[in-house]
Amino acid sequence: DTAVSQTPKYLVTQMGNDKSIKCEQNLGHDTMYWYKQDSKKFLKIMFSYNNKELIINETVPNRFSPKSPDKAHLNLHINSLELGDSAVYFCASSQGSLLRNTIYFGEGSWLTVV
Amino acid sequence: KQEVTQIPAALSVPEGENLVLNCSFTDSAIYNLQWFRQDPGKGLTSLLLIQSSQREQTSGRLNASLDKSSGRSTLYIAASQPGDSATYLCAVGTPGSYQLTFGKGTKLSVIP
Repeated sequence: DTAVSQTPKYLVTQMGNDKSIKCEQNLGHDTMYWYKQDSKKFLKIMFSYNNKELIINETVPNRFSPKSPDKAHLNLHINSLELGDSAVYFCASSQGSLLRNTIYFGEGSWLTVV
Repeated sequence: KQEVTQIPAALSVPEGENLVLNCSFTDSAIYNLQWFRQDPGKGLTSLLLIQSSQREQTSGRLNASLDKSSGRSTLYIAASQPGDSATYLCAVGTPGSYQLTFGKGTKLSVIP
């Protein structure tokens, strides 16, 4: 039973298209995240939601828009895709802050923009 | 701004060896430090979580230490096995507590 699941796992699309990646967690956590892992393998926070409210919004182009319909879901919508958006996008969740609680990651969504 | 560095970037060892992976961070004002494992094509799995007040944590053959004042952590793997082959990432919990700052990882290969 997958704790954090994201779909699709692989996505190849053309420049200029709009695409979405969906994420769901069944752990009952109240905080969800999107991380981006680029070609250099750096994993960087993009967004964090706590109880459906945006609490972290790093320097990310406004073409990226997260949406949290409820605590168990955090979707990522990307408009006007660019070549540089090619990366692996990881969804994650935790209960409350990361002060004492560990974080659980999904298996990633491989986005390739051609 | 917190920066996390992991050295070496890659490491290859024969099966059965004990090994140490290193992690350093620039700002000692951390809440905690976590070690993760990432297998190819997979997400990250948390291995050990050390709170800032702790010196070490152990799980099975893994032992992680934390020296906050010097900005360093080590992950010790005893009696390495081919199944330990993966990329190991270190991440620190920064003030604000809702995000982790990651290193680039150390890619470990254990040769049978």
